[in-house]
Amino acid sequence: KAGVTQTPRYLIKTRGQQVTLSCSPISGHRSVSWYQQTPGQGLQFLFEYFSETQRNKGNFPGRFSGRQFSNSRSEMNVSTLELGDSALYLCASSPRERTSGGYNEQFFGPGTRLTVL
Amino acid sequence: GIQVEQSPPDLILQEGANSTLRCNFSDSVNNLQWFHQNPWGQLINLFYIPSGTKQNGRLSATTVATERYSLLYISSSQTTDSGVYFCAVGRSTGGFKTIFGAGTRLFVKA
Repeated sequence: KAGVTQTPRYLIKTRGQQVTLSCSPISGHRSVSWYQQTPGQGLQFLFEYFSETQRNKGNFPGRFSGRQFSNSRSEMNVSTLELGDSALYLCASSPRERTSGGYNEQFFGPGTRLTVL
Repeated sequence: GIQVEQSPPDLILQEGANSTLRCNFSDSVNNLQWFHQNPWGQLINLFYIPSGTKQNGRLSATTVATERYSLLYISSSQTTDSGVYFCAVGRSTGGFKTIFGAGTRLFVKA
């Protein structure tokens, strides 16, 4: 099976702009989670989507949003970018089917490195 | 929320040495994974181990869920083992929220 793919891999934006990142999960996986990684805060959970519904959310402002489509692909959007939003954004997919061994195991994509100038 | 502590924060080893990395968590979990992050940022799955013991080559892991800790063992370390090792835990009650530890940065010298 193909792994988790994320596009674009690198992105440079300026303050005040908005950005949309895309994630395609492993075929058959229905859960997609998003994480932000920065040197100061480490890896932080943003949100999880399952069957097109947001199931859980981390402690991030409303500028961070996401959605999931019927084919399980997910996008996250950051509006009104700030310098502190510069980070590696990671997407993870998981089966979340209880009939699957290790149904909660997450598999990560290569990430999108966002730089805000 | 759940707190995750990893130790040691940094570790320098001579090639061929063994090491143990520890992950303590503050509440019951039903999901625990160990990852290795390579220099390009990719998180590589090492173990999915909410409980019990697993081995994969030179690596093994043990989780004692009742005592809220997990250990990752690296034997006969190689320079390619260098990188950051993360422990991630979570509870899938309703939603699915994973908390990462701060990581252990490992450097293996030739």
